[in-house]
Amino acid sequence: SAVISQKPSRDICQRGTSLTIQCQVDSQVTMMFWYRQQPGQSLTLIATANQGSEATYESGFVIDKFPISRPNLTFSTLTVSNMSPEDSSIYLCSVGQAREQYFGPGTRLTVT
Amino acid sequence: GQQVMQIPQYQHVQEGEDFTTYCNSSTTLSNIQWYKQRPGGHPVFLIQLVKSGEVKKQKRLTFQFGEAKKNSSLHITATQTTDVGTYFCAGLPRDSNYQLIWGAGTKLIIKP
Repeated sequence: SAVISQKPSRDICQRGTSLTIQCQVDSQVTMMFWYRQQPGQSLTLIATANQGSEATYESGFVIDKFPISRPNLTFSTLTVSNMSPEDSSIYLCSVGQAREQYFGPGTRLTVT
Repeated sequence: GQQVMQIPQYQHVQEGEDFTTYCNSSTTLSNIQWYKQRPGGHPVFLIQLVKSGEVKKQKRLTFQFGEAKKNSSLHITATQTTDVGTYFCAGLPRDSNYQLIWGAGTKLIIKP
């Protein structure tokens, strides 16, 4: 298993600003995943982050809006840019391959 | 597109009653995973099923994977207050290396 921490745990942001979420893992992992979960909903994959290469984004998510960094095998950041109230959600990072995934505690973002 | 249908969306039970949630995939899966998300928490991995017709038990929880590897169920016997939360299935399509398809989740609510 892996222990994952995320910062910040929650934030309230103004429309038009950006927030960077950090994800730290206690072991080296090849792939890290960023998900969004809106209240009462399932998980939606935003992108997959591999170290040393550009992130792979899912349909409906673009790099300009959700830039991702992956500087090493234990750390990644997701930035939510030019925020609007529709970006209010929980953002989760996770690690794991096909067998099981481990999630960070999440970042609860509210955009006003 | 590929999807996993999960029903019901909610299930209200009296403590001590049984609970079941079902997942049905539009495509054949390599494996299916189950996660539990407590209110305010993040998804936590419960189990992975790989083999056709597989049945696994964890105390009061019984997990099944269909013969065609397209459907799965989770059954909880004699629910307790600690079982409250949302249960998600997540399937790995045969043609995918890592990208899971998540069900919508079933929320288990214990009636007061």
